[in-house]
Amino acid sequence: GQQVMQIPQYQHVQEGEDFTTYCNSSTTLSNIQWYKQRPGGHPVFLIQLVKSGEVKKQKRLTFQFGEAKKNSSLHITATQTTDVGTYFCAASTDSWGKLQFGAGTQVVVTP
Amino acid sequence: DAGITQSPRHKVTETGTPVTLRCHQTENHRYMYWYRQDPGHGLRLIHYSYGVKDTDKGEVSDGYSVSRSKTEDFLLTLESATSSQTSVYFCAISEYFSPQPQHFGDGTRLSIL
Repeated sequence: GQQVMQIPQYQHVQEGEDFTTYCNSSTTLSNIQWYKQRPGGHPVFLIQLVKSGEVKKQKRLTFQFGEAKKNSSLHITATQTTDVGTYFCAASTDSWGKLQFGAGTQVVVTP
Repeated sequence: DAGITQSPRHKVTETGTPVTLRCHQTENHRYMYWYRQDPGHGLRLIHYSYGVKDTDKGEVSDGYSVSRSKTEDFLLTLESATSSQTSVYFCAISEYFSPQPQHFGDGTRLSIL
């Protein structure tokens, strides 16, 4: 079955640095979504990517969908303490598919 | 935040007892989902509903049942709780099925001793 692999599982970042988290699948994806979960909170939807090669930006966050629609990345520039949390990708393989979540990347930011 | 209320927020119970978790929404969304979250596994879909009395299984449905008698309420039942079902349970809703954004409740932390 479809598996969504997310790397790294843990990321320790100095405030002001950039970092990237990746989401990979062995099968072609119909779409991919990204969520953020603050410590003790619930997942919150950030963005959805549908098209091959699609790039979307939200302030300091840049989301990319691979050309082959098998991978995605989230890049954060100039990390701030408000970026702390776990970032999940979630994907489906067709337009009627259930979402499968990756295991998440836990981000810790030190001042 | 979307109008989603999960109850209870915390529960401790013993192995073998029945447990029911409730998800209530005020958004009139058609689709509702139950996930469990465990370290290293992200969120895994237990069951989902695509309308009143219409439900289907997710990837980890064994040991769980659901019911939806009203648009706004989606119940998750553990008929005979086991320690492996200790987890944080999240309810989510969406206006349409995938690939629509899902909006999550605050979660229920369930401990089974």
